[in-house]
Amino acid sequence: DARVTQTPRHKVTEMGQEVTMRCQPILGHNTVFWYRQTMMQGLELLAYFRNRAPLDDSGMPKDRFSAEMPDATLATLKIQPSEPRDSAVYFCASANSFRGTGGYYEQYFGPGTRLTVT
Amino acid sequence: RKEVEQDPGPFNVPEGATVAFNCTYSNSASQSFFWYRQDCRKEPKLLMSVYSSGNEDGRFTAQLNRASQYISLLIRDSKLSDSATYLCVVSNSGGGADGLTFGKGTHLIIQP
Repeated sequence: DARVTQTPRHKVTEMGQEVTMRCQPILGHNTVFWYRQTMMQGLELLAYFRNRAPLDDSGMPKDRFSAEMPDATLATLKIQPSEPRDSAVYFCASANSFRGTGGYYEQYFGPGTRLTVT
Repeated sequence: RKEVEQDPGPFNVPEGATVAFNCTYSNSASQSFFWYRQDCRKEPKLLMSVYSSGNEDGRFTAQLNRASQYISLLIRDSKLSDSATYLCVVSNSGGGADGLTFGKGTHLIIQP
């Protein structure tokens, strides 16, 4: 049963520290998304990659957030320096844009990284 | 104005009842529409896509009205296991191969 994996599952850090979150997409999926979920804003798209190339990062605060895909099996989201307002659940999702069932492309979400910045 | 708006609920519904949710979206260029389900402290999972002609999957029926920019979800014969948050989702790309825009969700509680 193929799944998206994310590490760490939980992270508590102090304001100003660097935070790195990692995601392993489902093998064979060529599109990787980063979303953030908060009570106030709900789920928001931060950035996504297709075939490891960044397609859209307009949802991401550029001054402190960065997203990369060093290879096809790893995506990273980094926050430096972290702030209390970054506290949220960060979800990674993957999809295969070459194959659609019934004309749509299902995005499979990982379990999320729950980040608390104090 | 939020791009996708939903009634947050909670909807408290007795087991076996029929419950309906709806949402509205503001971007008329939206091309793909979905309902996702999210259990407490879990990741969202695709429930069903929504087609203009309407579509049904077991006890679930989804409808789309492009003219009114309105999406609905009907759950018949509700089960305790249907308790969750239901997220209305749109995409500007055909098939949803690009980023998704989520509503904040409608919380459903099925009571025994």
